[in-house]
Amino acid sequence: DAKTTQPNSMESNEEEPVHLPCNHSTISGTDYIHWYRQLPSQGPEYVIHGLTSNVNNRMASLAIAEDRKSSTLILHRATLRDAAVYYCILSITQGGSEKLVFGKGTKLTVNP
Amino acid sequence: EAGVAQSPRYKIIEKRQSVAFWCNPISGHATLYWYQQILGQGPKLLIQFQNNGVVDDSQLPKDRFSAERLKGVDSTLKIQPAKLEDSAVYLCASSLIAISQNTIYFGEGSWLTVV
Repeated sequence: DAKTTQPNSMESNEEEPVHLPCNHSTISGTDYIHWYRQLPSQGPEYVIHGLTSNVNNRMASLAIAEDRKSSTLILHRATLRDAAVYYCILSITQGGSEKLVFGKGTKLTVNP
Repeated sequence: EAGVAQSPRYKIIEKRQSVAFWCNPISGHATLYWYQQILGQGPKLLIQFQNNGVVDDSQLPKDRFSAERLKGVDSTLKIQPAKLEDSAVYLCASSLIAISQNTIYFGEGSWLTVV
């Protein structure tokens, strides 16, 4: 079962920032927080991941709460191509293997 | 860098027939995953390989699904016999090794419709 909680959907306007929230209250000290997104008719693609500190890359920023029980994915200027389902994921270690367990994600709609 | 290749892209079969999907991961990636994604849901992990050994197949319906990864490179996922509820996108993915430090790369998926 997914260990994260996300809103089902969000809307944004083009050129505006978007803040996608994620709750993961049962996170353990060694769990990384991963974000993937899935554009229509494509496989998921990596966006960003982090452990404790905030992270930035060319696609987005990841803000992690001090207690690590929540995080926010920030798209600084949304474009129409950012319309996708965004998944917040904690990796799970079971039986010696590590795996990503996806939830339903947040469907982001970007309005022109 | 070439991505994860999957084929066929689309397949329509009748229930009780069999189907096979092929995956070629990114060169050098030791870990290979097969996910099933039913419409409106997130991907569900079916099986994970580390080189040519199975690491996790706890979610694989073993009475009808099978997968192999010969020589630790390409992989095949087979369904026999197919059921209506197997209609889904089958995603293959690969990564270098452990997830925490590495990105998982997904293919575009193989879309299966069982009628």
